[in-house]
Amino acid sequence: EPEVTQTPSHQVTQMGQEVILRCVPISNHLYFYWYRQILGQKVEFLVSFYNNEISEKSEIFDDQFSVERPDGSNFTLKIRSTKLEDSAMYFCASRITSGAQETQYFGPGTRLLVL
Amino acid sequence: GQNIDQPTEMTATEGAIVQINCTYQTSGFNGLFWYQQHAGEAPTFLSYNVLDGLEEKGRFSSFLSRSKGYSYLLLKELQMKDSASYLCAVTDGNKLVFGAGTILRVKS
Repeated sequence: EPEVTQTPSHQVTQMGQEVILRCVPISNHLYFYWYRQILGQKVEFLVSFYNNEISEKSEIFDDQFSVERPDGSNFTLKIRSTKLEDSAMYFCASRITSGAQETQYFGPGTRLLVL
Repeated sequence: GQNIDQPTEMTATEGAIVQINCTYQTSGFNGLFWYQQHAGEAPTFLSYNVLDGLEEKGRFSSFLSRSKGYSYLLLKELQMKDSASYLCAVTDGNKLVFGAGTILRVKS
């Protein structure tokens, strides 16, 4: 069964450093997402991406964040200058809609720790 | 805005049936998802409801009433491995808005 993959599984970085989180969505899906989950809290939407552009972003997704789909398969989330409060699990998801049925699948996540 | 309410925790016995409720208020509802999440892992898709009624999938069923802003997830023949957090999420445009999740503890 096809699945969303993410690399790295864990990332430790110093405050102020740039990080790039990578995702390979399911190949025939058209909508891609980044969510994050701070330890012990709910899953929060960051950004959605469709047709090679951002379709919606949350208040969390400020100028420090950017997304790209550089080569038609990878989907990346960049944090330019990390802050302590960026420490969280970051989940990539992709979505397919077939008639009335919609399915949004999550990748295994990248655990980001900012020191 | 959106507001999604689920019970924080529930405990049930192996082999029993448990119902996890979710109520929501949202301005742009397009459907409701249930996910299972084990500690430290990603949410795993369980069900999607967009029309009123019951959707059954093996031991798991999900119900939606759009007029009442209400859904439930029904788990039958509970197993120890069903101990996890169960997340209710509503679609709002393109994105999912998640509730805080219900931690289900299955005891033998």
